[in-house]
Amino acid sequence: AQKITQTQPGMFVQEKEAVTLDCTYDTSDQSYGLFWYKQPSSGEMIFLIYQGSYDEQNATEGRYSLNFQKARKSANLVISASQLGDSAMYFCAMRGGAGGTSYGKLTFGQGTILTVHP
Amino acid sequence: GAVVSQHPSWVICKSGTSVKIECRSLDFQATTMFWYRQFPKQSLMLMATSNEGSKATYEQGVEKDKFLINHASLTLSTLTVTSAHPEDSSFYICSAEMTTGGYYEQYFGPGTRLTVT
Repeated sequence: AQKITQTQPGMFVQEKEAVTLDCTYDTSDQSYGLFWYKQPSSGEMIFLIYQGSYDEQNATEGRYSLNFQKARKSANLVISASQLGDSAMYFCAMRGGAGGTSYGKLTFGQGTILTVHP
Repeated sequence: GAVVSQHPSWVICKSGTSVKIECRSLDFQATTMFWYRQFPKQSLMLMATSNEGSKATYEQGVEKDKFLINHASLTLSTLTVTSAHPEDSSFYICSAEMTTGGYYEQYFGPGTRLTVT
């Protein structure tokens, strides 16, 4: 069984500052993938970043980076230079199979509501 | 590319009626689609996995007779909420799985907000 834990129900950050959203996971799979999604108030799920369990480098996508610490089973999202438009709910998710195989199901964490203050 | 649509985007229905929600992959074929349910400020809960041409696989605790899923083609899956009640009011999101070079990626639809009065 897979489990994703996001312990921060809400986070606040000042515009232009960096913020880290925490995510820890538990799985017995040797190969897995970790995802972060953004969900604004409109409800759509926006894919942000992906990290495969065998990837040696931390994933980066523009202002988003994933701080992957495999031994600690953590996959924190770092957003640099926060913008007002970053205010949304953020979900960490996991799927068995690091992209090369599909176990299909995504397991989501509880989510973190990020509020960016001007 | 990789666009998934849902229709309708929102629907209000009376208690006891049935509502059908469509999920379409617009520019790719999806052997597998997933249906999720989300209550306000909560996480997405997987309801079922839908495979083209076969019966859906439901998660534990999801009533298969109440939430009918049909994956009739490689671009269309439908979720029908039968005899809807106010407690079925929720945000329903689908995702479609695309295969690219042996890798599998999920793309989400924009969601359907269901309100049962």
